[in-house]
Amino acid sequence: QVQLVQSGAEVRKPGASVKLSCTASGYTFTTYAMHWVRQAPGQGLEWMGWINAGNGNTKYSQKFQGRVTITRDTSASTAYMELSSLRSEDTAVYYCARGDEGMPVAYWGQGTLVTVSS
Amino acid sequence: SFDLTQPSSVSVSPGQTARITCSGDVLAKKYARWFQQKPGQAPVLVIYKDNERPSGIPARFSGFSSGTTVTLTISGAQVEDEGDYYCYCAADNIWVFGGGTKLTVL
Repeated sequence: QVQLVQSGAEVRKPGASVKLSCTASGYTFTTYAMHWVRQAPGQGLEWMGWINAGNGNTKYSQKFQGRVTITRDTSASTAYMELSSLRSEDTAVYYCARGDEGMPVAYWGQGTLVTVSS
Repeated sequence: SFDLTQPSSVSVSPGQTARITCSGDVLAKKYARWFQQKPGQAPVLVIYKDNERPSGIPARFSGFSSGTTVTLTISGAQVEDEGDYYCYCAADNIWVFGGGTKLTVL
């Protein structure tokens, strides 16, 4: 069965960076895109960007352009999301989600809590 | 950019019909999906392609699209349907989410 397993919770100070991972299993990793979505406490879902796991092409939300980098390691079936210049407003749960548009399924990771605090 | 607008909250009594709307110009050209999210959990897909229901989703969940508005209907809402509901669509390789609607069933 398809699974997306994310790395554990992180705590960072303002100005630092964080790199999260999302390891896929149960399907051919390079066949689907991987998206990253975040959710601040008590807030809605916010799309950050995605990577074509096959060729590595990326697209980012304008809001995060310049601060976010999404990469992948096909040998490990893992996608990564690095967010830099962290501020307190970046405190959120970060999800990876497979690109299942138009399909009757939607696979999401369990989420990773990132806390930014001095 | 694309914007999707949802009401912030909807409240119904158990057994009543709950309707949650989502509006945006992009919906006239792109399919919408609906997610249900409960506290501390990842979102769960309840409707895709405007009105299709994934396997395992109860038949009381349905979707309808008309022009720039899509509607999620829960016919005979149950207490367990409480949660946050998000519409979303994919356009120009961008995912766009509505702001979310908190459904209360009591």
